[in-house]
Amino acid sequence: TQLLEQSPQFLSIQEGENLTVYCNSSSVFSSLQWYRQEPGEGPVLLVTVVTGGEVKKLKRLTFQFGDARKDSSLHITAAQPGDTGLYLCAGECKNSGYSTLTFGKGTMLLVSP
Amino acid sequence: EPEVTQTPSHQVTQMGQEVILRCVPISNHLYFYWYRQILGQKVEFLVSFYNNEISEKSEIFDDQFSVERPDGSNFTLKIRSTKLEDSAMYFCASSEALLRGTAFFGQGTRLTVV
Repeated sequence: TQLLEQSPQFLSIQEGENLTVYCNSSSVFSSLQWYRQEPGEGPVLLVTVVTGGEVKKLKRLTFQFGDARKDSSLHITAAQPGDTGLYLCAGECKNSGYSTLTFGKGTMLLVSP
Repeated sequence: EPEVTQTPSHQVTQMGQEVILRCVPISNHLYFYWYRQILGQKVEFLVSFYNNEISEKSEIFDDQFSVERPDGSNFTLKIRSTKLEDSAMYFCASSEALLRGTAFFGQGTRLTVV
């Protein structure tokens, strides 16, 4: 069973601050996806990273996939209250030609004005 | 923008009853998934479906569960003889491709078993 550990579990910061959240595993993933989930709603895909060492930017969000494809980080610059939400990482695992997603428990981010 | 739609948004059912959760995946997607999220816990994989058959399923997906694509657009999850512990948010997802698959999730159905 592949496990994804996300840290920190909860982060409360002021508007304008920078932050980094982490997603770590002992398993190698074919790809890794980051989602944001609002209470009572489904996860919304933010980005997919595929290549070891890959860095993707989405406005103020920077995603990095570890060289060994076992870990990833999400860095947010100048956080805003609208960034509040649960950030989930999910690793893609392939078995017998089919793939599934294994989710971490998430990092709950609260950005206060 | 195309999206995955799920109905109903909330379903309350008596313990022991059968429920069917419905999903309309994005139209050109070929791979379909069901996940669930018990309150306060992580999103868990239940089953994936491709070419009209189950391709992967987790330990959670036992004989109580079944999936079906009854027509060209709907993808359903049936839960027979519901238990209290089946109460959760159930998410449907779809993806266009298997390799580097990027899954898009629906808004979820909140199932409450009483």
